[in-house]
This record gives sequence, C-alpha cells and structure tokens, in this order.
Amino acid sequence: DAGITQSPRYKITETGRQVTLMCHQTWSHSYMFWYRQDLGHGLRLIYYSAAADITDKGEVPDGYVVSRSKTENFPLTLESATRSQTSVYFCASTEDRGPHQPQHFGDGTRLSIL
Amino acid sequence: DQQVKQNSPSLSVQEGRISILNCDYTNSMFDYFLWYKKYPAEGPTFLISISSIKDKNEDGRFTVFLNKSAKHLSLHIVPSQPGDSAVYFCAASGGSNYKLTFGKGTLLTVNP
Repeated sequence: DAGITQSPRYKITETGRQVTLMCHQTWSHSYMFWYRQDLGHGLRLIYYSAAADITDKGEVPDGYVVSRSKTENFPLTLESATRSQTSVYFCASTEDRGPHQPQHFGDGTRLSIL
Repeated sequence: DQQVKQNSPSLSVQEGRISILNCDYTNSMFDYFLWYKKYPAEGPTFLISISSIKDKNEDGRFTVFLNKSAKHLSLHIVPSQPGDSAVYFCAASGGSNYKLTFGKGTLLTVNP
C-alpha cells in the first residue's frame, strides 16, 4: 500500500548500543523529516532531508545520524544510545510543490533505552 | 524559546458542543499554520491549514481562525463528537522553509 511506514514499531535496547530506525515512503516525496515526541515538548525536529544525499540538522540533532541514499528511505541512527533518547520517533514526508504543504506522518517507533 | 505555544494541555467538552483549541506564536516570519490530530499509538494526521493571507478556513465541522495582529490562531470543532477525542497539535512554517515548528499539543476529550 502507498504511504509511509516505520520499523520497528517498538524497540528496547541498552545504553551505548547502536540502533537504527527505518522510514520508507512510497510517494516519491522529496522532503523527509525525523521528529521525536516527548511529554512536555510536543514534536521536535531532529533532522530533515530535501532530496537524496541532502540532509540538514533540525532543532535537536545531537546524538543522531541520518543518511538518504535513496529517495524513498530515510534511516535514523543513534550511534551510542543514551537514556535521554528514550522517546517516540516519527518520520514524515512532503511533496516538493512549495513550502505550504502538509507533512504526512508514519505511525512512529517507540524506543526505550535501558 | 518556544515559538508555537498551546497553553492548554487539556480540554474537556460535552458531545454536540463546540470545542475551541488555541495556539499562539511568536515568530513573525511564520506564514502558514496547520492543525494535526493524533490518536494514541498512531502518527499525527493533517486536519486543516491556513495561510497568513486568510483569516478563516473551513472544512466541514472544523474551522481555523487566524488573528495575525495577535499572533493567535484557534481551531473550532462544531459539533464535537466522541471520535474527536485526541491530541491536537498546532504547527507553523515560514517563508520558503519546509520545516514545521510544533506546539506541545492539547488533549481534547469529548464526553458522550
């Protein structure tokens, strides 16, 4: 089905481990985004990408790495996970038809770091 | 510094009545505003938007009002239904920027 999918939906890992969250969209949208949702903070932008091989930092990029070798995929990697990175992570995408377009979100990955 | 503020963490309304969710912003460069609805264990879904050249946009039971001079927008839901119970996020963007800045959200509960 067309849309944006995130995997895994749930992940438990330990501090210091590397973990990668996957995001895949079938719309061929140019723009993709990673957010984290924490109680008391709403949704905060981690990284975004305007096209394949073009990425840029958002509001809270520290501790995260992204890549975008293909338009449809935008993985987010925590190179050495910390407890403060326990959160719900959302991936989103939007078309490149001008900035006034809504973003479409995946259903999220709930990540717990012990 | 929070650029988009939703000062009410929660709101409870009776079914059939009006729900009014409020949002304030501080960045004068914002010119496009959106509301998203989020159910538990799901991603946010786009609800309605408004450009700064308008002061009102309507879509069925949902209306968004924008007061640029006050840097304030509100979402009206009439009539409210139990299925509207969700967290509502206000978001904003500015200029040629595709990035969105979100508020912290308001939990709306519509009681039957």
